[in-house]
Amino acid sequence: DQQVKQNSPSLSVQEGRISILNCDYTNSMFDYFLWYKKYPAEGPTFLISISSIKDKNEDGRFTVFLNKSAKHLSLHIVPSQPGDSAVYFCAASEIGTASKLTFGTGTRLQVTL
Amino acid sequence: DAMVIQNPRYQVTQFGKPVTLSCSQTLNHNVMYWYQQKSSQAPKLLFHYYDKDFNNEADTPDNFQSRRPNTSFCFLDIRSPGLGDAAMYLCATSRGFRGGTDTQYFGPGTRLTVL
Repeated sequence: DQQVKQNSPSLSVQEGRISILNCDYTNSMFDYFLWYKKYPAEGPTFLISISSIKDKNEDGRFTVFLNKSAKHLSLHIVPSQPGDSAVYFCAASEIGTASKLTFGTGTRLQVTL
Repeated sequence: DAMVIQNPRYQVTQFGKPVTLSCSQTLNHNVMYWYQQKSSQAPKLLFHYYDKDFNNEADTPDNFQSRRPNTSFCFLDIRSPGLGDAAMYLCATSRGFRGGTDTQYFGPGTRLTVL
C-alpha cells in the first residue's frame, strides 16, 4: 500500500524555467511533509519541509505548497538550474511519532541547458 | 561540520557471509535509523533507535540486526546476506521531537553487493 505517491518518475525542464514536482498521499494522519534531494551514489539531502498548519513554505528558490483537502503537495523550483538535476523524494510523517518517514518512489528531475 | 558518516561507502560480501555496516553522527541526535533502498524504490525503514530503545519494523527480516553502543554510533548487522539483500543502506538521524516536527538527516549510504 503506497501511502505516498509520486506519479511522475521523471521530469525534464529547461534551465531558468519553473520545475514543479508533485506528491500525493492517502494517510490523513500525516501532518509533516518533507522533500529530499538525492544525487547518484549519495544519501538523500533534506531540502524543505512543511507542517499541516501551513499551506506554503518558502526557502530561496524552493517553495512547497500543501493542499490538505486534496492530500497533495508540490515542490516548486524557480529558477531551475542544472545543479538541481537529481532525484527528488517526497516523504511524510505523523507528528508525535518522531520516527517513521514514509517515502514516495521519487521523481528524477533533469534540468537542461 | 556536524554530519552523518557511513563506512564503508561500498561493501562487497559473499552469499551467507556476515557483514556489518557502520554509521556515526556528530549531530548528537537522539534517534538513529537504518533504511534499505533498492533501485527505483523508496527507502524502506528497517528499524530505529530512540536513545537506547530499539524499534523494529514489523516486516524487517530477522536476518537484519542492529546495535547502538553509544549515542554516536549505530551498526547494521546482516547475519546471512542473500542476493536479495543487495541494496543501498542508508543511515539517518533526528532529534526525536515527540510533540513536534522531526527532520531526518541522512548519511551518504553504503552500497552493498552480494556475490
